[in-house]
Amino acid sequence: AQSVSQHNHHVILSEAASLELGCNYSYGGTVNLFWYVQYPGQHLQLLLKYFSGDPLVKGIKGFEAEFIKSKFSFNLRKPSVQWSDTAEYFCAVNETFSGGYNKLIFGAGTRLAVHP
Amino acid sequence: DAGITQSPRHKVTETGTPVTLRCHQTENHRYMYWYRQDPGHGLRLIHYSYGVKDTDKGEVSDGYSVSRSKTEDFLLTLESATSSQTSVYFCAISVARSEGYTFGSGTRLTVV
Repeated sequence: AQSVSQHNHHVILSEAASLELGCNYSYGGTVNLFWYVQYPGQHLQLLLKYFSGDPLVKGIKGFEAEFIKSKFSFNLRKPSVQWSDTAEYFCAVNETFSGGYNKLIFGAGTRLAVHP
Repeated sequence: DAGITQSPRHKVTETGTPVTLRCHQTENHRYMYWYRQDPGHGLRLIHYSYGVKDTDKGEVSDGYSVSRSKTEDFLLTLESATSSQTSVYFCAISVARSEGYTFGSGTRLTVV
């Protein structure tokens, strides 16, 4: 079974600082990788995804992530964070089974606080 | 928006009582999921469904059951609620494997 590790549970940054959140997954063949964001009091929203092709993927709100297959990593980055990026971020990997159904396996999340 | 609604949004219940949470979708997607979210654990899969009357257990299924008698509705039942089931419950649907999931707004359940 797949598993996902997020290295940082809490990150505190000042506005304009650069962000990198780590995510590693266990090997399981072909992977689909996702980052979700959860703003306070809201549900999860898709930030970006990797399915195939260019390992550097760009998402909404200036976020990007790089898939490094040799390191089993899918780290999230943003060059300059804003106060509005304060949220919890979840990395997830899609585990696919015979019969076509799939399950998303989530990391424990990283809570980001951005101070003005 | 994939049109997922969860009900109720908030519920407080007493230990030992049964509780049913409802997830309703409007777009006829085959795959539906129930997760619980707890601090430090991220989201953990409780049960999932791959069609009407086709369901299976996730990693934290003890104390929960599900039913799917119609494509649009996926019900999660806590047979006898315990304080350890205090959590936020999210329903999700899978639109396509490459698209990840779309989540409902969640149900905050408190068991006292």
